[in-house]
Amino acid sequence: AQSVTQLDSHVSVSEGTPVLLRCNYSSSYSPSLFWYVQHPNKGLQLLLKYTSAATLVKGINGFEAEFKKSETSFHLTKPSAHMSDAAEYFCVVSGAGSYQLTFGKGTKLSVIP
Amino acid sequence: DTAVSQTPKYLVTQMGNDKSIKCEQNLGHDTMYWYKQDSKKFLKIMFSYNNKELIINETVPNRFSPKSPDKAHLNLHINSLELGDSAVYFCASRDAGTRGTGELFFGEGSRLTVL
Repeated sequence: AQSVTQLDSHVSVSEGTPVLLRCNYSSSYSPSLFWYVQHPNKGLQLLLKYTSAATLVKGINGFEAEFKKSETSFHLTKPSAHMSDAAEYFCVVSGAGSYQLTFGKGTKLSVIP
Repeated sequence: DTAVSQTPKYLVTQMGNDKSIKCEQNLGHDTMYWYKQDSKKFLKIMFSYNNKELIINETVPNRFSPKSPDKAHLNLHINSLELGDSAVYFCASRDAGTRGTGELFFGEGSRLTVL
């Protein structure tokens, strides 16, 4: 069984300040972990993924995430928020060899000018 | 070239009607999915097909029936539409041969409104 918990339903930051979106996971097998972004009225776009290689993963648009097995976490960060980062973010887990991907409930990121 | 395409993008219909949403992917993936996104943005998996075989069938009313004529297409038919069916439906595809490491590629979504 696998599950994902996104610890904040809404995060608000000022433009130019750091972003931290938190995700904890549970998986019986070596997990793959993903972060997706969804802008209003759009589909979901992959930001980055972890698949048992380097624990610090760099993604698009300056985002990165660190896989911490001891803490079962995969938090998403960005050093400096931009207005265009305002969107819904989803953390996703997939077990090894699994067809099933489990989504977190999403975190809405607001960026204040 | 659009990788995963869904039609129609918007669908407004009356309760009790039957409607279909079509999905096609040109990525050569062997696994396709339907997700439902409700008004709170929660994404719930409905179905998944691998090489035309149904592999995931979550607790969904049997008014919903998926069909996969080939591995590049996955359609969703909904009978006797209800108000609660109003949502955005996303199609996605994935390469299952990557043993769980492959990411999902999503379509733009089909917004269904039932009046």
